[in-house]
Parts: sequence; structure tokens; C-alpha cells
Amino acid sequence: AQSVTQPDIHITVSEGASLELRCNYSYGATPYLFWYVQSPGQGLQLLLKYFSGDTLVQGIKGFEAEFKRSQSSFNLRKPSVHWSDAAEYFCAVGPLSGKLIFGQGTTLQVKP
Amino acid sequence: DAGVIQSPRHEVTEMGQEVTLRCKPISGHDYLFWYRQTMMRGLELLIYFNNNVPIDDSGMPEDRFSAKMPNASFSTLKIQPSEPRDSAVYFCASTSGPTLGNEQFFGPGTRLTVL
Repeated sequence: AQSVTQPDIHITVSEGASLELRCNYSYGATPYLFWYVQSPGQGLQLLLKYFSGDTLVQGIKGFEAEFKRSQSSFNLRKPSVHWSDAAEYFCAVGPLSGKLIFGQGTTLQVKP
Repeated sequence: DAGVIQSPRHEVTEMGQEVTLRCKPISGHDYLFWYRQTMMRGLELLIYFNNNVPIDDSGMPEDRFSAKMPNASFSTLKIQPSEPRDSAVYFCASTSGPTLGNEQFFGPGTRLTVL
């Protein structure tokens, strides 16, 4: 079955600290992987995506993610979190076009 | 570009009433998706269209829900009759599939409250 698991429902980090959000997937074909961010009251915005090539991908707002095929993971990282990063983060997997499967989301809280 | 446009942004209605949510995708996009987001169930795909044709409606909860896309620039999601458990935020998203590498662009959502 195709699925995405984000093990952490809620994470709190201090401003300036590093961040890693976990994502594990199960997908039968070549996975195309995405991270989206949702600020309160807003729609989802794409942070980054992985299709092929270099397994470390850079995104907007200083985020990066690493694809590890052996672990079926696509974890999101940021070296230094800013208060404005507080939001909900969604990992998704899907084909090149069509239906994406989203994880349940991880809510990030940033302490001053 | 104005992005994906949804209307209304907020809708409050009474149980049993018909509700129609509207979406205008980004011009040139050939895929359109309807999602529902609740605290309990997270983000759920209800239905998606490709070139105005419904491709997968397996996420539509029940017959009370229907979606149409009469042309490339407009789609509706209708709930008739509405029930309190339909209260949620409904998002529309669009993409140009392979051209954009399936990056879906989301609208701001419609917050529906059914009393």
C-alpha cells in the first residue's frame, strides 16, 4: 500500500536551533517526493521536491531534505530555525503527475 | 498570476442546506484537485480532474458530495444536503502535471461551518 508517515505530530524547538522533521514513505514505483508548508489560515506551499539525481535537495527558506532510498525516508532539515518557521509541514509522495499522498503533518512550534 | 482562487473564503450554513464551493485554477494548468482538511482526518484528497475529466473520485465521502469542472477555468464542489460533520477547510489545488513536476499550487481554502 502507498503511504506516507510523519512520526512526529508536534515538535517544539528553540529559535536558532537546528530542525529535522521525519518522513517515511511506502510507494511501489519510483517515488517523487515533496515537502509542503502550511502557515495558519493559508494553503500549502511547496518547500522542495525530489525527482532524481543528487539525494540532497535544497528548497526555499533555507530548508533542505535528503532522500535515502534504503531507509525509505525523506527528512526535512534546517540548520537554524526562525520564529517565522512555525507552521505545519507535510511530506508527500506521488507520480510525476496526478495524485499525491500526503502525510498527517507535523506542527512546528518555535520557542523564543 | 493571481494563483488559485477559491470562493467563498468562509461559509456558515445550517444542516440540510446546499453548499457550493468554487475554484478557479491557475491558467494553463490541466490538473485540479479538491482536498478537505480537518483536525481528525488531516488532509484528504476528495477528487481530481485532468483536462476537465474526473480521474479519481474515490475520496468523495458519499453521494452528498459532487464535483464538476465544466471548463478549464472553473470547478465546483457541492454538498447537498450538508451535515455538521462536513465542517472543514476545503482546498483546491492545480498543477500542470509533468510540466511542473507535479508541484501543486493551493488556493487559500474555504472554511465551511455547518451548524
